[in-house]
Amino acid sequence: NAGVTQTPKFRVLKTGQSMTLLCAQDMNHEYMYWYRQDPGMGLRLIHYSVGEGTTAKGEVPDGYNVSRLKKQNFLLGLESAAPSQTSVYFCASSRLTNTEAFFGQGTRLTVV
Amino acid sequence: LAKTTQPISMDSYEGQEVNITCSHNNIATNDYITWYQQFPSQGPRFIIQGYKTKVTNEVASLFIPADRKSSTLSLPRVSLSDTAVYYCLRGGNNDMRFGAGTRLTVKP
Repeated sequence: NAGVTQTPKFRVLKTGQSMTLLCAQDMNHEYMYWYRQDPGMGLRLIHYSVGEGTTAKGEVPDGYNVSRLKKQNFLLGLESAAPSQTSVYFCASSRLTNTEAFFGQGTRLTVV
Repeated sequence: LAKTTQPISMDSYEGQEVNITCSHNNIATNDYITWYQQFPSQGPRFIIQGYKTKVTNEVASLFIPADRKSSTLSLPRVSLSDTAVYYCLRGGNNDMRFGAGTRLTVKP
């Protein structure tokens, strides 16, 4: 099993450009999460989803949108990228809210 | 939502036992305590989870007292490869929020 796969692994954007990060999980998990991690910091929750067709805001949702049209995929969109969104983005999934979460390998995004 | 509180950093030496304490005064009845480990440039990895008393697996033990307002992750006989950031999370809500974590440095 692949577990949680993030696409792409690296990306450089110009300010104002848009892009979508894809997270795919093959474990039939209900819960999926998007985080960002800045250098030397912990992970901050951007958005999360408790099931197909549902999404909710986390700690730092501004500037990001998400969609969960299929249970296995959770998309994170940046409509107009800003340098402050330069970060490493991690996706995770879990079967339930209290169960072990599995993380992807991360996407390193640089906005110039 | 209240996160947990952990020491920012800890140092240890190879072969020693390391105990990292986490404070979660506002823990809810249905919250579990979960610990994750993160190496540089990698996503966090699950270590252990518990609700109360003691839980042990092949890599760590987790001690949670009766009042559940704190918990202690115990790593027996650490090695250099245990150098990482360790996060304590209280679960039960739909979202899963990380604190700053504890940066453990194991020295030779």
